[in-house]
Amino acid sequence: NAGVTQTPKFQVLKTGQSMTLQCAQDMNHNSMYWYRQDPGMGLRLIYYSASEGTTDKGEVPNGYNVSRLNKREFSLRLESAAPSQTSVYFCASVSLYTQYFGPGTRLTVL
Amino acid sequence: AQSVTQLDSQVPVFEEAPVELRCNYSSSVSVYLFWYVQYPNQGLQLLLKYLSGSTLVKGINGFEAEFNKSQTSFHLRKPSVHISDTAEYFCAVSEVPGTASKLTFGTGTRLQVTL
Repeated sequence: NAGVTQTPKFQVLKTGQSMTLQCAQDMNHNSMYWYRQDPGMGLRLIYYSASEGTTDKGEVPNGYNVSRLNKREFSLRLESAAPSQTSVYFCASVSLYTQYFGPGTRLTVL
Repeated sequence: AQSVTQLDSQVPVFEEAPVELRCNYSSSVSVYLFWYVQYPNQGLQLLLKYLSGSTLVKGINGFEAEFNKSQTSFHLRKPSVHISDTAEYFCAVSEVPGTASKLTFGTGTRLQVTL
């Protein structure tokens, strides 16, 4: 099992560009989450999906959209990137109160 | 809403010494508590969790934590650390009931183990 995979690993964008971060899990979990990690701030929840077909806002949803494409995949889209969105993004899937994290995407917005 | 405080942003310690990483939480309802570890350039992985039952929880790599409801704490301990324990450690809480998987993380404690 690959667990949780994320693509790309690194990305550099210019202000105003758009991109989609991809996340997939092969553990048949219902719930999936997107976080951002910034120095000194821990992880903050952007969006989550409790089950296929549902999505909800987390603590910091502004500037992001998500799609739960199917049970395996949960994508995060930046429509118009801003320097404040420079961060490391983690996807996680959840089972029995344990979150399984992907390796992260390091995004820089210039 | 719940919150988590990790007062120590960095903890330096010598190899084979004991260590305690402190975590305090705030919540008006019952909670589940977690410790996650993040090695450099990796995602987080679960060290241990408290859901119910015994307040002393044992996790992977020789770590343990004790839930203290009266002090609203969930400190992480290891009696003898190794160089390979160098990592960032995050305490997290979720409220019960609610979306039990929805976590609030602390800001992290960087454990630096040296010879």
